[in-house]
Amino acid sequence: DARVTQTPRHKVTEMGQEVTMRCQPILGHNTVFWYRQTMMQGLELLAYFRNRAPLDDSGMPKDRFSAEMPDATLATLKIQPSEPRDSAVYFCASGLSYRAGEQFFGPGTRLTVL
Amino acid sequence: SQKIEQNSEALNIQEGKTATLTCNYTNYSPAYLQWYRQDPGRGPVFLLLIRENEKEKRKERLKVTFDTTLKQSLFHITASQPADSATYLCALPNSGYSTLTFGKGTMLLVSP
Repeated sequence: DARVTQTPRHKVTEMGQEVTMRCQPILGHNTVFWYRQTMMQGLELLAYFRNRAPLDDSGMPKDRFSAEMPDATLATLKIQPSEPRDSAVYFCASGLSYRAGEQFFGPGTRLTVL
Repeated sequence: SQKIEQNSEALNIQEGKTATLTCNYTNYSPAYLQWYRQDPGRGPVFLLLIRENEKEKRKERLKVTFDTTLKQSLFHITASQPADSATYLCALPNSGYSTLTFGKGTMLLVSP
């Protein structure tokens, strides 16, 4: 059955290192979202793509975060340099823009920055 | 942007009872509202969407209401089971209906 996949599932790194998270959306979905979830802030939208074009990345710290969709089967979220405050679970979700916003989430990447 | 409030305290109920979770929002009333379930270590899973003209929607043991006057949605699980234990999040679309804003969720614990 179709599902969103994310790699890696867990990542432990040291402050200052580059982190790259990958997402494969459900085939045929034309919208992709990146979220960050923490206990304090809940689920926050970082970036949003439609038909591979970035439409909104206002939720991302621009100086260190970047999101891309090199092709329809791959979305990436990069943090460079990483900081301890970036420790969180990062979710990718995909959907169809005409389906009233129903989103399908991946299992998440749990990032710990030491 | 929309501000969403869900009870941050966990709701503890006994198996067989009805659980009722609340979602309040403060700004504009959107054309629809969604509910998701999240289990520990997993991503949220879509459960139900209710439109502003529906007032009430049911799916198996789930019932959702949407009161645009009160700016509130209620999420009910009847005949609750321990397997219903999870965190439940409500989500509202932004004004452009392109993205969702999620509440922080309410944890439900159903004891046998």
